[in-house]
Amino acid sequence: DAGVIQSPRHEVTEMGQEVTLRCKPISGHNSLFWYRQTMMRGLELLIYFNNNVPIDDSGMPEDRFSAKMPNASFSTLKIQPSEPRDSAVYFCASSWGGGMNTEAFFGQGTRLTVV
Amino acid sequence: QKEVEQNSGPLSVPEGAIASLNCTYSDRGSQSFFWYRQYSGKSPELIMFIYSNGDKEDGRFTAQLNKASQYVSLLIRDSQPSDSATYLCAVNEDDKIIFGKGTRLHILP
Repeated sequence: DAGVIQSPRHEVTEMGQEVTLRCKPISGHNSLFWYRQTMMRGLELLIYFNNNVPIDDSGMPEDRFSAKMPNASFSTLKIQPSEPRDSAVYFCASSWGGGMNTEAFFGQGTRLTVV
Repeated sequence: QKEVEQNSGPLSVPEGAIASLNCTYSDRGSQSFFWYRQYSGKSPELIMFIYSNGDKEDGRFTAQLNKASQYVSLLIRDSQPSDSATYLCAVNEDDKIIFGKGTRLHILP
């Protein structure tokens, strides 16, 4: 398996523009996580899907952020409108959420810069 | 959201010595615990997981768990320069994996 695939790897956009980040989880995994990483706040969980259903979105910072998982092999994280404070590395991770040894496998991340 | 706490470091350890990394967590219901390593500019990768009290060894790495004290640690024996990275402690809370902010480890040649 190629692992978790994220696109794009880098994104530079102007404030106010819409940004869409994409993720393809590992085949067979039933849990998907979106994280945001900054120096100040570390690795924050934004939203967690299980079997394509959003289970916990309490980490989504505000209404400008939305995430979807239309099927088991694809998820998007959208920011509209984007702001400079959204600049961060966004990671997607997937796991087989079936027990205590659940390990999250990470994609390579998308480095977002909002200017 | 429950918390996972780590000292941010940097922790500097001479090459060949033992590096000790610590983590505390707030949710007594947590059942499994993970240590991830993250090199600069890369994504986190799993080193070890542990879910029973006591020690778990894997090569140069030993994870230690004390659920009564809500404390988990990672020992790295015979530290190598390639161990220089940020180490992230993570806790499974109801199938959500929550991370600490990480400890930066620097192995001195």
